[in-house]
Amino acid sequence: AQSVAQPEDQVNVAEGNPLTVKCTYSVSGNPYLFWYVQYPNRGLQFLLKYITGDNLVKGSYGFEAEFNKSQTSFHLKKPSALVSDSALYFCAVTYTGTASKLTFGTGTRLQVTL
Amino acid sequence: DTGVSQDPRHKITKRGQNVTFRCDPISEHNRLYWYRQTLGQGPEFLTYFQNEAQLEKSRLLSDRFSAERPKGSFSTLEIQRTEQGDSAMYLCASSGAHNSPLHFGNGTRLTVT
Repeated sequence: AQSVAQPEDQVNVAEGNPLTVKCTYSVSGNPYLFWYVQYPNRGLQFLLKYITGDNLVKGSYGFEAEFNKSQTSFHLKKPSALVSDSALYFCAVTYTGTASKLTFGTGTRLQVTL
Repeated sequence: DTGVSQDPRHKITKRGQNVTFRCDPISEHNRLYWYRQTLGQGPEFLTYFQNEAQLEKSRLLSDRFSAERPKGSFSTLEIQRTEQGDSAMYLCASSGAHNSPLHFGNGTRLTVT
């Protein structure tokens, strides 16, 4: 079984400040972790993934995420937020043998204000 | 790469009617997935195809739901005798190699009245 928790429904940050969107996971084997972003009435866009290797993963639009095995976390970060980053962010997990079937968290709405 | 295409974007139907949605994946992708997303929730897995073979179905997929991918290219998702609880966004995604990212379409929003 696999599951993802995104403990914050919404994160508010001022433009130019760093942002963090939290994600913790639970899987039976080695996790493969993903972050997606969703804009209104649109599908999900891939941001970044962790499969193996360096714990710090860099992705699209300046986002990065840190894999922490001991804390079973995969928090999304960006050093300097933009108003255009405002959207719904989903963390997802899968693991070996699931044919890339992703289990998603409930999402975190990021609101970046001037 | 023209992306994953879904049709229609919106569908309003009356309870009890049948509906069919279409998904055209990225052409070189052999894996195709259907997900359902309701308001305030993350996408939930419905079913998965590798080429034309339907390899996995979620327990969420009741007998009223059927999906096909007849030639390993486009896929259809049919819902028979729709119920109000079927109202949701239906998302299609495709991928190539194992553990490569899923590419999502913009979804079909179904409203059952």
